This record gives sequence, C-alpha cells and structure tokens, in this order.
Amino acid sequence: DAGVIQSPRHEVTEMGQEVTLRCKPISGHDYLFWYRQTMMRGLELLIYFNNNVPIDDSGMPEDRFSAKMPNASFSTLKIQPSEPRDSAVYFCASSPQHRPYNEQFFGPGTRLTVL
Amino acid sequence: EDQVTQSPEALRLQEGESSSLNCSYTVSGLRGLFWYRQDPGKGPEFLFTLYSAGEEKEKERLKATLTKKESFLHITAPKPEDSATYLCAVQVADSNYQLIWGAGTKLIIKP
Repeated sequence: DAGVIQSPRHEVTEMGQEVTLRCKPISGHDYLFWYRQTMMRGLELLIYFNNNVPIDDSGMPEDRFSAKMPNASFSTLKIQPSEPRDSAVYFCASSPQHRPYNEQFFGPGTRLTVL
Repeated sequence: EDQVTQSPEALRLQEGESSSLNCSYTVSGLRGLFWYRQDPGKGPEFLFTLYSAGEEKEKERLKATLTKKESFLHITAPKPEDSATYLCAVQVADSNYQLIWGAGTKLIIKP
C-alpha cells in the first residue's frame, strides 16, 4: 500500500482565498483524522471520521473550517476564507476499524502558508 | 485538566551515548500511551503503544516503559539515524479517539 496520500504538499495562498486540502487514507482503514501542527501549539486534532461519518469536530477552530468525506477513499479539509494564522502543517491520518486505540498512520502533510 | 509534558525539549548525544526521554501525564484515566517518531518534513510514525503500568516494549535500540504517572523512551547506543523528534500521546479513558499530544523531544545524535 502507498500509505496515506495528501495533496498538495505545499500551498501558498493569499489571505481571504479558499484552500482545499485532500487526503486519501489507507485502503481498508475506517477511521480518518485531520490534524494541524504548529510550533506554538504542537499537534491538534481538528476532526475525525468513522466510516465516512464525522464523529467529533470539536477541534475545528471556527466556521471557516469544514471537512468532508464523501467516500471511504477521499476526504477534504477546506478553509474559507483563509487567514495568516491558519499557516501550519496539516496532517491526515487513518486507522483500521479494529485498532482505533492503536497506531494512526500519518500522511506526509500539507504545508500551508497564508500571506 | 488532562495534560502531557515531555522533557527535555531537546537532547544532543554522541553516537553510542545512551539516554532516556520522559513523558509525564496527568489524566483522569489512561486508555493507552503512544510513542511516535517524526522526521523533518514528514508525518509522525508510530513506534509503541503501552496500556498499563509496568508494561515494556522494545524495537531495535528503543525501549518504552510505563508507570502510573510517566513513560520513558530509553535509547541504547544511538546512531545518527535515530535523530528525530519523539512525540508522546495519551488516550484518555471514556473519551473518543482523540489523543492528547506532548510537544515532543528533539533528539540529535552526533557521529
């Protein structure tokens, strides 16, 4: 398996623009997690899905952030409008159904810079 | 408040010089403690899960241990390729799948 795939790897945008980050989880994994990592706050869970259904979005910072998982092999995280404080590395991770309390497999991340 | 604290923030060692990284936690109930390794520009990579005090797990030069208040990641005779940031995370009992993450320890092994 190729592992968790994220695109783009780098994104530079202007404040106020819409940003869409994409994730393809490992085939057969039923849990998908979106994280944000910054030097100041470390790793923060934004939202997670189980079988394509959002279970907990309490980590989403505000209404400008939204996430969808239309099918088992694809998820998006959208920021609209983007702000400079959204600059961070965004990770997607997936985990198999029977081992949600065990390892999460992370993608390579998307480095977002909002100017 | 549930909290995870890692120390030291950074650690520089000579190749072959053994040492330990610390992860202390204060949570209402522990479901599991996780160690991850993160290389620059990459996502965290899973190393170990520990579930109960007294448990130990080993992988190559790494050994993780767990007590009721903290976990140690022991590195024996490290090599330069062990250089990375090591992250600790805790899953709280009766919670969802959210992990509480520590800030990490940046380990540098000099040849």
